[in-house]
Amino acid sequence: GQNIDQPTEMTATEGAIVQINCTYQTSGFNGLFWYQQHAGEAPTFLSYNVLDGLEEKGRFSSFLSRSKGYSYLLLKELQMKDSASYLCAVVDSNYQLIWGAGTKLIIKP
Amino acid sequence: IAGITQAPTSQILAAGRRMTLRCTQDMRHNAMYWYRQDLGLGLRLIHYSNTAGTTGKGEVPDGYSVSRANTDDFPLTLASAVPSQTSVYFCASSMDSGADGYTFGSGTRLTVV
Repeated sequence: GQNIDQPTEMTATEGAIVQINCTYQTSGFNGLFWYQQHAGEAPTFLSYNVLDGLEEKGRFSSFLSRSKGYSYLLLKELQMKDSASYLCAVVDSNYQLIWGAGTKLIIKP
Repeated sequence: IAGITQAPTSQILAAGRRMTLRCTQDMRHNAMYWYRQDLGLGLRLIHYSNTAGTTGKGEVPDGYSVSRANTDDFPLTLASAVPSQTSVYFCASSMDSGADGYTFGSGTRLTVV
């Protein structure tokens, strides 16, 4: 079967750094996405990794290790507006997206 | 229209009634998808369409049907709604495949009573 694991919930402090992990077991791999979803809203694209390594985009970075079936999303200089759910999704061998259940990130002042 | 439009935004529906959720995109994306999102379960694929004229079943297709008469529209129909279909429904599209990334509509919150 196909499986994507993320922590259900994380708490961090405004101004700090947080790392959200994602591990996957899928039939094939053609890339990994991170999406952000604020409560009551649609998911929006954050990052895409298809090769191993770190992709940096402003305060957000995403890392991929294909051999370990592992990715993380790193958020720096946390702001209250970063309070949201973060969804990990893997593109499988059929080029379909397989979604994790998401990690709810709570930012405290 | 810019992106994907879903209608209605929310709906309360009596059990046993028929309901069609509308989804229209103006990006000329070939692939479209319907998901439901329930607390703790994440996004689950109901039906998809890789191109106009074709559709396929996702993870949770029972009780739902779709059609794709043209590139822009991808309606989702509940033939006879049941309370377990209470959920938030998202329509999404991608240029060709999942590797292109998805653009999501704003969602329809459906309550079946």
